[in-house]
Amino acid sequence: AQSVTQLGSHVSVSEGALVLLRCNYSSSVPPYLFWYVQYPNQGLQLLLKYTSAATLVKGINGFEAEFKKSETSFHLTKPSAHMSDAAEYFCAVSPGNFGNEKLTFGTGTRLTIIP
Amino acid sequence: KAGVTQTPRYLIKTRGQQVTLSCSPISGHRSVSWYQQTPGQGLQFLFEYFSETQRNKGNFPGRFSGRQFSNSRSEMNVSTLELGDSALYLCASSGLNKDSYNEQFFGPGTRLTVL
Repeated sequence: AQSVTQLGSHVSVSEGALVLLRCNYSSSVPPYLFWYVQYPNQGLQLLLKYTSAATLVKGINGFEAEFKKSETSFHLTKPSAHMSDAAEYFCAVSPGNFGNEKLTFGTGTRLTIIP
Repeated sequence: KAGVTQTPRYLIKTRGQQVTLSCSPISGHRSVSWYQQTPGQGLQFLFEYFSETQRNKGNFPGRFSGRQFSNSRSEMNVSTLELGDSALYLCASSGLNKDSYNEQFFGPGTRLTVL
């Protein structure tokens, strides 16, 4: 079975500092990996996705993630944090085969930005 | 294109009652998935419908059911509500084309409170 582990349920960074949110996956087959963001009282918004095309994936709002097979990781980064980045972030994995749309999510990381 | 819409946004029920939640996918999307989000269990997959057929199912009791109509709109039903069913229920739709395969677009959710 596939799974993802997010290290750190809460992360605080200063405005302008580097954002690093960690995600490790477990999968016996090449996975599809995703990062979603959730703002209070809202649904999930896709930040970026890895579907085996390129290992460095750029997403919206200045975020990017690098797929590292040797480390089974897919960490999310942003060079300079902005106050509007405060939200909860979820890493997710999908089997990637047609007909199976199930996403398995990590437990989430709440990002706080310190002014 | 309009996004995924869910109705109602908020719902309060009492134990033992049943509830029906509705989801309208993005126009042209034929796959609809449902997820339950709670503080304790996080985001969990309920089921997925494609062309009016349930294609995937998560590990939830039979009190949770769903259906999809010919216009791809979907409903989920929870019977004999329990306090633990209080959650945010999220619907997601997917276009399943080559470029957006497995990219799921989420609605704002329905917040169900069981008293």
